[in-house]
Amino acid sequence: QQQVRQSSQSLTVWEGETAILNCSYENSAFDYFPWYQQFPGEGPALLIAIRSVSDKKEDGRFTIFFNKREKNLSLHIKDSQPGDSATYFCAATFYNQGKLIFGQGTKLSIKP
Amino acid sequence: EAAVTQSPRSKVAVTGGKVTLSCHQTNNHDYMYWYRQDTGHGLRLIHYSYVADSTEKGDIPDGYKASRPSQENFSLILELASLSQTAVYFCASSDREVFFGKGTRLTVV
Repeated sequence: QQQVRQSSQSLTVWEGETAILNCSYENSAFDYFPWYQQFPGEGPALLIAIRSVSDKKEDGRFTIFFNKREKNLSLHIKDSQPGDSATYFCAATFYNQGKLIFGQGTKLSIKP
Repeated sequence: EAAVTQSPRSKVAVTGGKVTLSCHQTNNHDYMYWYRQDTGHGLRLIHYSYVADSTEKGDIPDGYKASRPSQENFSLILELASLSQTAVYFCASSDREVFFGKGTRLTVV
């Protein structure tokens, strides 16, 4: 059973558009949801994270929208740039615990 | 910046052979992890450790052992490598944020 699920394996948007990556989870007890960005040949790197007490977290062009009742969240990348082309992983865990449960990833391509 | 170093970065192993993947962190973190990445599956937790000389099983521990001889070092051991263990392996350490190494690409032939 996939505890964290990302709705798209791949997504392509034009430069300047907003990319929206969706994620859902099974365990209602999870309270911390980081998004990781991974470039080829590199390890995942933390991009932005949200705790379940919030419904929105913004950091520059990146925003997480969180719906606790529906057990889903989305990552919005505003004004997409070619350098944003990467694989994005949604993850879930308990705050202050590093045992992350990952989604299968969404490969984002930005067309110039 | 937090640093997690994995060695080797790539390895070809023979089926049935023993493989040891090494990880070293300079973050002074208590927690360390080994994850496996397969295409279409994200990353899955194999083993983790909260303190030196102690390891715990993650979600997919079968076929793997782990060793944490010091706070800085965490190894993943495949006693009898199998074709199904071909994957990219990531080591990580954490306090509140999880920091990943660059990965080891293991090919078992």
